[in-house]
Amino acid sequence: DGGITQSPKYLFRKEGQNVTLSCEQNLNHDAMYWYRQDPGQGLRLIYYSQIVNDFQKGDIAEGYSVSREKKESFPLTVTSAQKNPTAFYLCASSKRGKAGGSNEQFFGPGTRLTVL
Amino acid sequence: ILNVEQSPQSLHVQEGDSTNFTCSFPSSNFYALHWYRWETAKSPEALFVMTLNGDEKKKGRISATLNTKEGYSYLYIKGSQPEDSATYLCAPEGGRRALTFGSGTRLQVQP
Repeated sequence: DGGITQSPKYLFRKEGQNVTLSCEQNLNHDAMYWYRQDPGQGLRLIYYSQIVNDFQKGDIAEGYSVSREKKESFPLTVTSAQKNPTAFYLCASSKRGKAGGSNEQFFGPGTRLTVL
Repeated sequence: ILNVEQSPQSLHVQEGDSTNFTCSFPSSNFYALHWYRWETAKSPEALFVMTLNGDEKKKGRISATLNTKEGYSYLYIKGSQPEDSATYLCAPEGGRRALTFGSGTRLQVQP
């Protein structure tokens, strides 16, 4: 089965601790994305990567970091600098956008992070 | 950050009713417009990706239109069914080739 996996589903951390959320895909997609959802709000883009070893800040990158060392993996680290880390985090992937076209994104099941 | 607005925020309809939602977005630097359906306890799923002004797409009872010049898209559901209950998200794609999502329209269809 091809798809995107995120682990864990629920994560609890103490304030001041860094935490890394996993995202793995076996769809052979070049592009991967991280979003955050807060109650009553839409998905907000944290970071995205169009190709291995390259990534760009999204709209709310402060307090987060990512790496893209492998095509299949795009882990997100929530650092202690993130002021309000409690949220639902979604990872997505897509074929790399080509000139004149656009590709749908496929989403993982999400990780709900609670910082105590 | 693009300003993406969806209306209404929520909608309750009876089974069999037809309904439509609106997504408005900046018309400058436009590349594509995506619609997603997000059911409770599931992941968002793509409905349509539209790129050309005047595009119309259809999937079963759901269809969408796109006006890139004035910056809006409509999503229509004909004869709503309880299984259509979900949050419908639109997301324009700009030059950076990443999506900016609206806050969604939450649809509930009563049997």
